[in-house]
Amino acid sequence: GAVVSQHPSRVICKSGTSVKIECRSLDFQATTMFWYRQFPKQSLMLMATSNEGSKATYEQGVEKDKFLINHASLTLSTLTVTSAHPEDSSFYICSARGRRELYTQYFGPGTRLTVL
Amino acid sequence: QQQVKQSPQSLIVQKGGISIINCAYENTAFDYFPWYQQFPGKGPALLIAIRPDVSEKKEGRFTISFNKSAKQFSLHIMDSQPGDSATYFCAASMMNDYKLSFGAGTTVTVRA
Repeated sequence: GAVVSQHPSRVICKSGTSVKIECRSLDFQATTMFWYRQFPKQSLMLMATSNEGSKATYEQGVEKDKFLINHASLTLSTLTVTSAHPEDSSFYICSARGRRELYTQYFGPGTRLTVL
Repeated sequence: QQQVKQSPQSLIVQKGGISIINCAYENTAFDYFPWYQQFPGKGPALLIAIRPDVSEKKEGRFTISFNKSAKQFSLHIMDSQPGDSATYFCAASMMNDYKLSFGAGTTVTVRA
């Protein structure tokens, strides 16, 4: 149990376009979803926290107008990178937290974004 | 500013040996300490976690040792196998927001 999926796994886009990444909890209801980005050989950096039905809370330094997060249901959250630029190229990973194990975050497989 | 300091950055161990990774934290409000394993190009997977009311937790070949007074915790991988070669992250969170603060990561290489 506790499976989180992400789609797509890889995406290549042109500079200036927008990209949407989906994160789904497949076998549990996610009260909270988190979005991280990870640069090569570095740790995970929390970008934002989203609770179902409410606005996302962004970490300091993360542009909320650039990284749009929607948590429309208890099993789906989306991250849209708007007007992507090469510096947005990174590995984006979501995680989900359920009702039963309040502390445990289950991570998705990640999405590799390359902006040309 | 990293709230959880992790060392070493990398380590090489022979098959069958013990891998030890250490983490330290400052914020005494942290009350949950998980370890994650990550393979290249994949998301992190929860390995084992501990709460501060116990000093040790063992699951198979993986053991967490926790020292509350020293604000330190460590991961021991016993009988290391080549399949254990991965990057390991320690983390910490607290009850008010459940956000994870990650260490910098340790790349473990197990030589056959």
